[in-house]
Amino acid sequence: YVLTQSPSVSVAPGQTAIITCGGDDIESYGVHWYQQKPGQAPMVVVYDDSDRPSGIPERFSGSNSGNTATLTITGVEAGDEADYYCQVWHTSSDHWIFGGGTKLTVL
Amino acid sequence: QVQLVESGGGVVQPGRSLRLSCAASGFNFSSYGIHWVRQAPGKGLEWVAFIAYDGSKKSYADSVKGRFTISRDNSKNTLSLQMNSLRVEDTAVYYCARRLTTLLDHWGQGTLVTVSS
Repeated sequence: YVLTQSPSVSVAPGQTAIITCGGDDIESYGVHWYQQKPGQAPMVVVYDDSDRPSGIPERFSGSNSGNTATLTITGVEAGDEADYYCQVWHTSSDHWIFGGGTKLTVL
Repeated sequence: QVQLVESGGGVVQPGRSLRLSCAASGFNFSSYGIHWVRQAPGKGLEWVAFIAYDGSKKSYADSVKGRFTISRDNSKNTLSLQMNSLRVEDTAVYYCARRLTTLLDHWGQGTLVTVSS
């Protein structure tokens, strides 16, 4: 099972960043999104498609439909510049799958 | 607070072995499954292995199956990854991460493994 992400997304501060994660019938899976800044471990920003852990701003939101899951960051800030990865648990193989990652650049 | 601290990384020659450890604190270790995830230099995240809370179930990525073994000692709150027959392509930062349902909710800071002659 493969999750496909665009390698990079660039947005100006204050604009909206849309990061997608494509996978066959991905809507059947709970999708989680991780943010990783240089030299740091990944951290969860959205889980179970659209829930936010405590401490994550409302600017981060997620959705999942058909073959595409989406992470949306509204009012992008310089501090949001990072790599973002989607992840699912593929039940039939019992493997945890990560997308290839999307580098968000804040212009 | 939840803490996961990896150790055991280093430089090793191809074909040799290395054992990584992950020390857990701040939560009931014996109640949680734990993963190993790696990240090659400049590359994305790759799931490596998982062990259930009681060690009864283990699963591995195809790229490491038969070479790596995951284990845990709940009396010592530690997780291990025995890596045999190492290859250059195993070079990566190795993270341990706690499982929460289908999510990896807490991660360590990682330990670097370099496989090079």
